[in-house]
Amino acid sequence: GAVVSQHPSRVICKSGTSVKIECRSLDFQATTMFWYRQFPKQSLMLMATSNEGSKATYEQGVEKDKFLINHASLTLSTLTVTSAHPEDSSFYICSGVHSGGAHEQFFGPGTRLTVL
Amino acid sequence: EDKVVQSPLSLVVHEGDTVTLNCSYEVTNFRSLLWYKQEKKAPTFLFMLTSSGIEKKSGRLSSILDKKELFSILNITATQTGDSAVYLCAGQGGSEKLVFGKGTKLTVNP
Repeated sequence: GAVVSQHPSRVICKSGTSVKIECRSLDFQATTMFWYRQFPKQSLMLMATSNEGSKATYEQGVEKDKFLINHASLTLSTLTVTSAHPEDSSFYICSGVHSGGAHEQFFGPGTRLTVL
Repeated sequence: EDKVVQSPLSLVVHEGDTVTLNCSYEVTNFRSLLWYKQEKKAPTFLFMLTSSGIEKKSGRLSSILDKKELFSILNITATQTGDSAVYLCAGQGGSEKLVFGKGTKLTVNP
């Protein structure tokens, strides 16, 4: 199957700082990428839909000014958590949809964010 | 609002048992139902179901979709300790967004 990578896999930061998470599709082009957040023992919650070359679409309750998404190319989307707070600590997972495929989503390995 | 409900939320069995995990869905412009296995990291893909009544199999795992009843099941036969994980069901609508259920945590004891 297609491969999606995320970087970093784990990050610890101080409250008030910003953190950037990269999501790359390594062997396919992804016109659409999705960003999810997963709190401990809970399911994945969709945060936003990232479309190459256009603004991201955010789910209800997700602050677009706090979670900045940039999808600059067909293989890269970034999520920046601005002015992070401890409650932003979570597992962030991205997925890419293969442009020419059967709409299957391929997930990255996730990024564990801990805000102190 | 789109919704996916899984049951049971938690299941403990012994090696060799057969388990059935349930997933019901209400998804606008339904396109497909997907099953994932999640261990410590991101979910890994198991099955994508788009048509009713056609069973998909992969080794000891199989799954089937009933689009009339808006329901899917995931079966695992002859369970092994390595099957212990959270199994996630997700519905996909016209926008390609996935709506996940809360998952079923399966524990297989030796």
